[in-house]
This record gives sequence, structure tokens and C-alpha cells, in this order.
Amino acid sequence: EPEVTQTPSHQVTQMGQEVILRCVPISNHLYFYWYRQILGQKVEFLVSFYNNEISEKSEIFDDQFSVERPDGSNFTLKIRSTKLEDSAMYFCASKRRAGGPEQFFGPGTRLTVL
Amino acid sequence: GESVGLHLPTLSVQEGDNSIINCAYSNSASDYFIWYKQESGKGPQFIIDIRSNMDKRQGQRVTVLLNKTVKHLSLQIAATQPGDSAVYFCAEYATSGSRLTFGEGTQLTVNP
Repeated sequence: EPEVTQTPSHQVTQMGQEVILRCVPISNHLYFYWYRQILGQKVEFLVSFYNNEISEKSEIFDDQFSVERPDGSNFTLKIRSTKLEDSAMYFCASKRRAGGPEQFFGPGTRLTVL
Repeated sequence: GESVGLHLPTLSVQEGDNSIINCAYSNSASDYFIWYKQESGKGPQFIIDIRSNMDKRQGQRVTVLLNKTVKHLSLQIAATQPGDSAVYFCAEYATSGSRLTFGEGTQLTVNP
């Protein structure tokens, strides 16, 4: 069964450093998302991406964040200058078609900012 | 603001019992309500959804009930098994947007 994959599984970085989190969505999916989950809290939407542009972003997704689909398979989230409060699990998700709610989530990348 | 929230943070049941996990929501404009299961160290996994114009939907061992009058959503799991132990999140989705809005989560523990 096809699934969303994410790398790395755990990323440790120093405050102020740039990180890139990588995702490979399910191959025939067209809609891509990033969510984050601070330890013990609920999952929060960051951004959605379709047709090579951002469809929607939350108030969390400020100028420090960017997303890119550099080729036909990868979807990346970049944080330019990490802060301590960026420490969280970051989940990538994808969806095949518009309208329906079902998004398929990857296993997540745990980002730890020291 | 509008949010999706849960009544209870934890639920402990005996194997074989039925489980009921509850959720309150406040955004009446949502088109779908969804239940996700999250096992430790994994991403959320879709369980079942229900359109806002329905009040009940059944899946395999799961039933979702939607009461729009009191803005309440529940997930019933029949014959709960140890593999059902996880955190369960309700979420809402409006087709006018793209995001899922998640609630706080309920930790379900199934005791053998």
C-alpha cells in the first residue's frame, strides 16, 4: 500500500540554523500539506500546497517558513532560522483529489531545536 | 475563535468492551467531521469521516454519530481490542478551504 514517507525521522539543530524537512507524498496525489504537533498537544495546520503554489497557510506559517516541490516527487518544508519553540513533530500529508477530507499522513520528523 | 475540542483526555476500557470517544465542535460551517487515530511515534491515521448532512455512519467496528443540534461528535468502537490503544483526534474540514482542524485528543487505553 502506498504511503507518505518523511526524512529524517529526527533532526537536531541549533537555534538560528536552517533546517529542511523532506517528504515524499503518495505518487498520484495532487494536494500536499504540512502540520506540526508540539509534544502532548493537538495537530496544527501549517500550509497546503497545490499546483506549485500555496493554497492556504496558517498564522504559524510566517516568513521563516517556506515550502517547495523541487521535483516530481519531493515536498519540502524549510525553516530559515529555527527558534526553540519550533521544536515539534512535523507531519507531511497528501491527498489525491479536491473536496474530500481524507489526508494521508507520513510518520513525521521530530525536530529538536537546542 | 472556532475550535474542535474533546470532553475527556483519557479513556480506559477492558478488552472486548465498547468504547465511546466524544468531541465537541463549534464551527457549524464544516462540511466533514473526521476521526483520526494516532499510535505512539506515528502520524495520524484516517479512521472514518461523516458529512455534515448525515447523523450516523458505520465502518468496520466503528460508528460515528453527529449531533448538529448540540454540536457533538462521537466515535464508537465495538469490541475494543488492545490494538485500538492510541490517541484519537476528531477533526473538521470545510471544502471551502484545505486545512484539517484538529481537536485536543483522547488517549484510549485497552486493558487485557
